[in-house]
Amino acid sequence: RKEVEQDPGPFNVPEGATVAFNCTYSNSASQSFFWYRQDCRKEPKLLMSVYSSGNEDGRFTAQLNRASQYISLLIRDSKLSDSATYLCGILTGGGNKLTFGTGTQLKVEL
Amino acid sequence: EAGVAQSPRYKIIEKRQSVAFWCNPISGHATLYWYQQILGQGPKLLIQFQNNGVVDDSQLPKDRFSAERLKGVDSTLKIQPAKLEDSAVYLCASSYLAGATADTQYFGPGTRLTVL
Repeated sequence: RKEVEQDPGPFNVPEGATVAFNCTYSNSASQSFFWYRQDCRKEPKLLMSVYSSGNEDGRFTAQLNRASQYISLLIRDSKLSDSATYLCGILTGGGNKLTFGTGTQLKVEL
Repeated sequence: EAGVAQSPRYKIIEKRQSVAFWCNPISGHATLYWYQQILGQGPKLLIQFQNNGVVDDSQLPKDRFSAERLKGVDSTLKIQPAKLEDSAVYLCASSYLAGATADTQYFGPGTRLTVL
Protein backbone atom coordinates (compact mmCIF):
# COMPACT_ATOMS: atom_id res chain seq x y z
CA ARG A 1 0.00 0.00 0.00
CA LYS A 2 1.32 3.45 -0.89
CA GLU A 3 2.08 5.83 1.96
CA VAL A 4 -0.21 8.48 0.53
CA GLU A 5 -2.91 7.82 -2.04
CA GLN A 6 -5.08 10.08 -4.13
CA ASP A 7 -7.47 9.51 -7.01
CA PRO A 8 -5.62 11.08 -9.97
CA GLY A 9 -8.89 12.10 -11.70
CA PRO A 10 -9.48 14.14 -13.73
CA PHE A 11 -12.55 15.49 -12.02
CA ASN A 12 -14.47 17.47 -14.64
CA VAL A 13 -17.07 19.72 -13.01
CA PRO A 14 -19.19 22.63 -14.20
CA GLU A 15 -18.56 26.10 -12.90
CA GLY A 16 -20.40 26.65 -9.62
CA ALA A 17 -20.35 22.99 -8.61
CA THR A 18 -19.11 21.63 -5.30
CA VAL A 19 -16.35 19.06 -5.52
CA ALA A 20 -14.51 17.04 -2.91
CA PHE A 21 -11.25 15.11 -2.95
CA ASN A 22 -9.91 12.62 -0.45
CA CYS A 23 -6.38 11.60 0.37
CA THR A 24 -5.62 8.49 2.42
CA TYR A 25 -2.45 7.84 4.35
CA SER A 26 -1.03 4.65 5.78
CA ASN A 27 1.10 5.83 8.71
CA SER A 28 -1.04 6.36 11.79
CA ALA A 29 1.82 8.36 13.35
CA SER A 30 1.50 11.09 10.72
CA GLN A 31 1.48 14.45 12.38
CA SER A 32 0.59 17.22 10.01
CA PHE A 33 -1.38 17.43 6.82
CA PHE A 34 -1.45 19.86 3.93
CA TRP A 35 -3.14 20.58 0.64
CA TYR A 36 -1.01 22.08 -2.10
CA ARG A 37 -2.17 23.40 -5.44
CA GLN A 38 -0.07 22.87 -8.56
CA ASP A 39 -0.87 24.59 -11.82
CA CYS A 40 0.31 23.04 -15.07
CA ARG A 41 4.10 23.33 -15.39
CA LYS A 42 4.33 25.34 -12.17
CA GLU A 43 5.59 24.63 -8.69
CA PRO A 44 3.33 23.43 -5.85
CA LYS A 45 1.96 26.19 -3.63
CA LEU A 46 0.50 25.69 -0.19
CA LEU A 47 -3.28 25.97 -0.29
CA MET A 48 -4.03 25.19 3.32
CA SER A 49 -2.98 23.21 6.33
CA VAL A 50 -5.39 20.64 7.71
CA TYR A 51 -6.14 20.78 11.41
CA SER A 52 -7.83 18.21 13.60
CA SER A 53 -10.79 20.52 14.05
CA GLY A 54 -11.04 21.18 10.34
CA ASN A 55 -10.46 24.54 8.74
CA GLU A 56 -12.09 26.75 6.19
CA ASP A 57 -10.71 29.44 3.92
CA GLY A 58 -13.37 31.05 1.79
CA ARG A 59 -14.70 28.44 -0.61
CA PHE A 60 -12.23 25.81 0.57
CA THR A 61 -12.75 23.48 3.53
CA ALA A 62 -10.24 20.90 4.69
CA GLN A 63 -10.93 18.13 7.17
CA LEU A 64 -8.97 15.38 8.87
CA ASN A 65 -10.32 11.98 9.83
CA ARG A 66 -7.67 10.30 11.96
CA ALA A 67 -9.74 7.18 12.66
CA SER A 68 -10.06 6.39 8.96
CA GLN A 69 -6.71 7.99 8.09
CA TYR A 70 -7.72 10.40 5.40
CA ILE A 71 -7.93 14.10 4.73
CA SER A 72 -10.41 15.82 2.48
CA LEU A 73 -10.68 19.04 0.53
CA LEU A 74 -14.04 20.52 -0.38
CA ILE A 75 -14.32 23.30 -2.94
CA ARG A 76 -17.63 25.14 -3.13
CA ASP A 77 -18.83 27.29 -6.02
CA SER A 78 -16.01 26.12 -8.31
CA LYS A 79 -14.39 28.73 -10.54
CA LEU A 80 -12.58 28.21 -13.83
CA SER A 81 -9.45 29.39 -12.04
CA ASP A 82 -9.68 26.46 -9.62
CA SER A 83 -8.57 24.15 -12.44
CA ALA A 84 -5.30 22.65 -11.24
CA THR A 85 -3.81 19.56 -9.61
CA TYR A 86 -4.37 19.29 -5.87
CA LEU A 87 -1.60 17.50 -3.97
CA CYS A 88 -1.91 16.26 -0.44
CA GLY A 89 1.22 16.30 1.68
CA ILE A 90 1.59 14.26 4.85
CA LEU A 91 4.27 15.05 7.42
CA THR A 92 5.67 12.10 9.31
CA GLY A 93 8.58 12.04 11.70
CA GLY A 94 10.47 14.86 13.33
CA GLY A 95 12.36 16.14 10.33
CA ASN A 96 9.64 17.99 8.44
CA LYS A 97 9.65 15.31 5.72
CA LEU A 98 6.63 15.66 3.47
CA THR A 99 5.32 12.72 1.50
CA PHE A 100 3.05 13.70 -1.35
CA GLY A 101 0.30 11.88 -3.12
CA THR A 102 0.16 11.74 -6.90
CA GLY A 103 -2.28 14.63 -6.99
CA THR A 104 -5.89 14.94 -8.14
CA GLN A 105 -6.53 16.87 -11.32
CA LEU A 106 -9.53 19.21 -11.33
CA LYS A 107 -10.97 20.72 -14.48
CA VAL A 108 -13.72 23.29 -14.05
CA GLU A 109 -15.71 23.85 -17.23
CA LEU A 110 -18.19 26.46 -18.43
CA GLU B 1 10.08 38.82 -0.29
CA ALA B 2 12.09 36.98 -2.95
CA GLY B 3 11.14 33.36 -3.46
CA VAL B 4 13.23 30.27 -4.01
CA ALA B 5 15.41 30.67 -7.10
CA GLN B 6 16.49 27.82 -9.33
CA SER B 7 18.56 27.54 -12.47
CA PRO B 8 18.56 26.50 -15.17
CA ARG B 9 14.83 26.30 -15.83
CA TYR B 10 15.24 23.75 -18.60
CA LYS B 11 17.99 21.30 -19.50
CA ILE B 12 18.23 18.70 -22.24
CA ILE B 13 21.09 16.21 -22.13
CA GLU B 14 21.93 12.81 -23.53
CA LYS B 15 22.09 9.74 -21.32
CA ARG B 16 25.40 9.21 -19.57
CA GLN B 17 26.09 12.95 -19.53
CA SER B 18 26.37 14.95 -16.32
CA VAL B 19 24.15 17.80 -15.20
CA ALA B 20 23.98 20.17 -12.24
CA PHE B 21 21.15 22.24 -10.83
CA TRP B 22 21.42 25.24 -8.55
CA CYS B 23 19.08 26.50 -5.84
CA ASN B 24 19.05 29.66 -3.74
CA PRO B 25 16.53 29.41 -0.90
CA ILE B 26 14.52 32.19 0.69
CA SER B 27 16.79 34.36 2.81
CA GLY B 28 16.97 33.13 6.38
CA HIS B 29 15.56 29.68 5.67
CA ALA B 30 17.64 27.06 7.43
CA THR B 31 16.17 24.02 5.73
CA LEU B 32 16.49 23.18 2.05
CA TYR B 33 14.92 20.29 0.17
CA TRP B 34 15.42 18.77 -3.27
CA TYR B 35 12.47 16.93 -4.77
CA GLN B 36 12.09 14.94 -7.98
CA GLN B 37 8.71 15.12 -9.69
CA ILE B 38 8.14 12.68 -12.52
CA LEU B 39 5.26 13.45 -14.87
CA GLY B 40 1.96 12.36 -13.36
CA GLN B 41 3.38 11.86 -9.88
CA GLY B 42 3.76 13.93 -6.76
CA PRO B 43 7.11 15.35 -5.68
CA LYS B 44 9.44 12.82 -4.06
CA LEU B 45 12.00 14.03 -1.53
CA LEU B 46 15.58 13.31 -2.58
CA ILE B 47 17.53 15.11 0.12
CA GLN B 48 16.96 17.51 2.99
CA PHE B 49 19.56 19.86 4.46
CA GLN B 50 19.40 21.80 7.68
CA ASN B 51 21.98 24.55 7.38
CA ASN B 52 24.85 22.66 5.73
CA GLY B 53 24.14 19.25 7.26
CA VAL B 54 22.16 16.41 5.68
CA VAL B 55 18.99 15.50 7.59
CA ASP B 56 17.57 12.89 5.21
CA ASP B 57 18.98 11.45 2.00
CA SER B 58 17.33 8.04 2.20
CA GLN B 59 15.73 8.34 -1.25
CA LEU B 60 18.73 9.81 -3.05
CA PRO B 61 20.25 7.36 -5.58
CA LYS B 62 23.74 7.88 -4.29
CA ASP B 63 25.44 5.98 -7.09
CA ARG B 64 24.63 8.80 -9.48
CA PHE B 65 23.13 11.71 -7.52
CA SER B 66 24.99 14.03 -5.20
CA ALA B 67 24.08 17.26 -3.48
CA GLU B 68 25.84 19.81 -1.36
CA ARG B 69 25.09 22.94 0.60
CA LEU B 70 28.55 23.99 1.65
CA LYS B 71 27.88 27.38 3.24
CA GLY B 72 24.39 26.63 4.47
CA VAL B 73 22.75 28.82 1.82
CA ASP B 74 22.89 27.85 -1.88
CA SER B 75 22.75 24.24 -2.93
CA THR B 76 23.65 22.21 -5.99
CA LEU B 77 22.27 18.86 -7.08
CA LYS B 78 24.30 16.82 -9.55
CA ILE B 79 23.50 13.77 -11.63
CA GLN B 80 26.40 11.80 -13.06
CA PRO B 81 25.80 9.88 -15.29
CA ALA B 82 22.20 10.61 -16.23
CA LYS B 83 19.75 7.89 -17.21
CA LEU B 84 16.57 8.14 -19.25
CA GLU B 85 14.47 7.63 -16.11
CA ASP B 86 15.96 10.78 -14.57
CA SER B 87 13.78 12.88 -16.86
CA ALA B 88 11.69 14.89 -14.41
CA VAL B 89 11.24 18.27 -12.81
CA TYR B 90 13.69 18.90 -9.98
CA LEU B 91 12.12 21.14 -7.38
CA CYS B 92 13.96 22.93 -4.64
CA ALA B 93 12.07 24.04 -1.55
CA SER B 94 13.01 25.82 1.64
CA SER B 95 11.51 26.36 5.05
CA TYR B 96 12.42 28.54 8.00
CA LEU B 97 12.87 25.72 10.45
CA ALA B 98 12.59 21.97 10.59
CA GLY B 99 11.67 19.65 13.38
CA ALA B 100 8.62 18.34 15.10
CA THR B 101 6.63 21.47 14.42
CA ALA B 102 5.48 21.60 10.83
CA ASP B 103 6.89 24.50 8.91
CA THR B 104 5.68 25.66 5.52
CA GLN B 105 7.82 24.61 2.60
CA TYR B 106 8.08 27.09 -0.27
CA PHE B 107 8.94 25.71 -3.68
CA GLY B 108 11.04 27.15 -6.45
CA PRO B 109 9.93 27.04 -10.11
CA GLY B 110 11.88 23.85 -10.77
CA THR B 111 14.32 22.66 -13.41
CA ARG B 112 12.79 20.53 -16.14
CA LEU B 113 15.32 17.88 -17.17
CA THR B 114 14.96 15.83 -20.33
CA VAL B 115 17.39 12.96 -20.85
CA LEU B 116 17.55 11.67 -24.44
